[in-house]
Amino acid sequence: QVHLVQSGAEVKKPGASVKVSCNSSGYTLTTYYMHWVRQAPGQGPEWMGVINPSGSITTYSQKFQGRITLTRDTSTSTDYMELSSLRSEDTAMYYCARGSRRGAGIYNWFDPWGQGTLVTVSS
Amino acid sequence: QSVLTQPPSVSGAPGQRVTISCTGSSSNIGAAEDVHWYQQLPGTAPKLLIYNNNNRPSAVPDRFSASRSGTSASLAITGLQAEDEGDYYCQSFDRSLSDLVFGGGTKLTVL
Repeated sequence: QVHLVQSGAEVKKPGASVKVSCNSSGYTLTTYYMHWVRQAPGQGPEWMGVINPSGSITTYSQKFQGRITLTRDTSTSTDYMELSSLRSEDTAMYYCARGSRRGAGIYNWFDPWGQGTLVTVSS
Repeated sequence: QSVLTQPPSVSGAPGQRVTISCTGSSSNIGAAEDVHWYQQLPGTAPKLLIYNNNNRPSAVPDRFSASRSGTSASLAITGLQAEDEGDYYCQSFDRSLSDLVFGGGTKLTVL
């Protein structure tokens, strides 16, 4: 069974950076894209970016360009999302979500999702 | 303001049928971009309900169905059950933004 397990909740001060991890099991990490999506309290999800199966290419939403970095450690089947220059509006639940198989195109559905990592930005 | 527009809430009695609309534009649904639907139960992560407009993952009951026409899509739930209460989101790709986009979500209440 496919599982995505994320790191624990974080509390950060404005201006700081946060790095969230997502460990995959039950499938071969290098066969699938991995997306990152965030959801602010009471809001709909918001797509942040995607890393390709080999971990060599990233595509980011323009909204986060310059502040987000996605990386992949294939030796531990773990993906990472780092967001810098945090502000209060970045307080949200952050999810990793598996995308399509290699060769199937980047922009498809997400299945499954990790359990989420709550990031709180407060002074 | 979400790129895809959903009604904030819908409700129905157990056993009834409800539909949830998702309205886009010529740069996403109207451009024949596929629509996907997710269910988010309270305190949990979203779960895939429908992919590529009208396909159900094997574990999703056939009470859930969806369609796409023009610049809109809709999700139908028949035989409403108490455990269906939660939030539902549509998702597609927007060619103008070059982004994956979501609806603002619809809260389903089972009366």
